[in-house]
Amino acid sequence: AQSVTQPDIHITVSEGASLELRCNYSYGATPYLFWYVQSPGQGLQLLLKYFSGDTLVQGIKGFEAEFKRSQSSFNLRKPSVHWSDAAEYFCAVGANNMLTFGGGTRLMVKP
Amino acid sequence: EAGVAQSPRYKIIEKRQSVAFWCNPISGHATLYWYQQILGQGPKLLIQFQNNGVVDDSQLPKDRFSAERLKGVDSTLKIQPAKLEDSAVYLCASSLDGQRYGYTFGSGTRLTVV
Repeated sequence: AQSVTQPDIHITVSEGASLELRCNYSYGATPYLFWYVQSPGQGLQLLLKYFSGDTLVQGIKGFEAEFKRSQSSFNLRKPSVHWSDAAEYFCAVGANNMLTFGGGTRLMVKP
Repeated sequence: EAGVAQSPRYKIIEKRQSVAFWCNPISGHATLYWYQQILGQGPKLLIQFQNNGVVDDSQLPKDRFSAERLKGVDSTLKIQPAKLEDSAVYLCASSLDGQRYGYTFGSGTRLTVV
């Protein structure tokens, strides 16, 4: 069975600073990987997804993620964080037509 | 296209009462999912439907939870009787082919059991 680990429960960055959120997965075959963002009281919004091909994936809102098979990782990055990026971020692996989520990372942005 | 619709948005009930949640997926999406998201945790899959058949309900507490998908479109998730630990957000999602196109989530129903 697949699993996802997000090692950082909380991260605080200053506005304008760069961001990297970590995600490690466990799955026996080629994974389908996703990053979702959830603002308070809202549903999950898809930021980006990786299915195959180029291991650097561009998403919405200036986010990107890099798939590294050797490290079983799919870290999310943004070069310059905005106050509106404060939210909960979830990494997920898709297998057998279902999603398995990590525990999430709560991002706080300092002015 | 319209998104995944869920109702109600919020529900407060007393323990041992029953409650039902409704989901209308994106038109044409064959697969429908119900997830439970407890505060501070990632969503956990409760049940997956393909059209009106159950694909996976291994994590559904069947002694108190039930779900159905009417005519392969709308779905209802029921809890009877509710426990305090059922307090969570219940998310519905649908997909055409999740592996290729991803999954679309509704805004969820926040259940508080007191």
